[in-house]
Amino acid sequence: DIQMTQSPSTLSASVGDRVTITCRASQSISRWLAWYQQKPGKAPNLLIYKASNLESGVPSRFSGSGSETEFTLTISGLQPDDFATYYCQQYNGFSWTFGQGTEVAIK
Amino acid sequence: QLQLLESGPRLVKPSETLSLTCTVSGASTGSSSYYWGWIRQPPGKGLEWIANMYYNGRTYYNPSLESRVTIYVDTSRNQFSLKVGSVTAADTAVYYCARSYAGGSRSGTFDVWGQGTMVTVSS
Repeated sequence: DIQMTQSPSTLSASVGDRVTITCRASQSISRWLAWYQQKPGKAPNLLIYKASNLESGVPSRFSGSGSETEFTLTISGLQPDDFATYYCQQYNGFSWTFGQGTEVAIK
Repeated sequence: QLQLLESGPRLVKPSETLSLTCTVSGASTGSSSYYWGWIRQPPGKGLEWIANMYYNGRTYYNPSLESRVTIYVDTSRNQFSLKVGSVTAADTAVYYCARSYAGGSRSGTFDVWGQGTMVTVSS
């Protein structure tokens, strides 16, 4: 099984900050990685697919990068609506795995 | 507009079988472009993929749950369902149904989710 490890688990930031979340895969997944945002009581919302492609309707302050085993999600200029939990998710060989999540909290 | 809606009992007794159905509107479960799947989230915890199914009946399961889980589709009703057997308190979670792309650059991503349904395992 491919394991996904996110860091940090929690981060505190202020509006306007640049925030980076890291996701590491236990083996190479090429670029088959997605990022989701989840707010309390809601279903996750797709932000990024295939490591760096912005889903339609997602603000351009969100960006993704990486390949093989190391990936990052960056939020450039944190907005009040961005305080949420973020998950990475891999897809490889008919197996899907989520990271444990990173909560972005208000400092 | 594509919508997914989960339904099923909210309370299940330990050792019994949890059964949920996802009703799809705005798309066909018979499409070759997508997988249809289930993800769960225990209270206060992260997301766990449970299973996906392809239109041709091919199924894919999380190895940690495979021995207790069945996913199946009813294309005539445009629904797909999940059964989890021998449940314990550890199966208490919000259960989401979702659509996943089966090819292209979005392959493997869950782009449309149901609202989720909370299932509690308790006597």
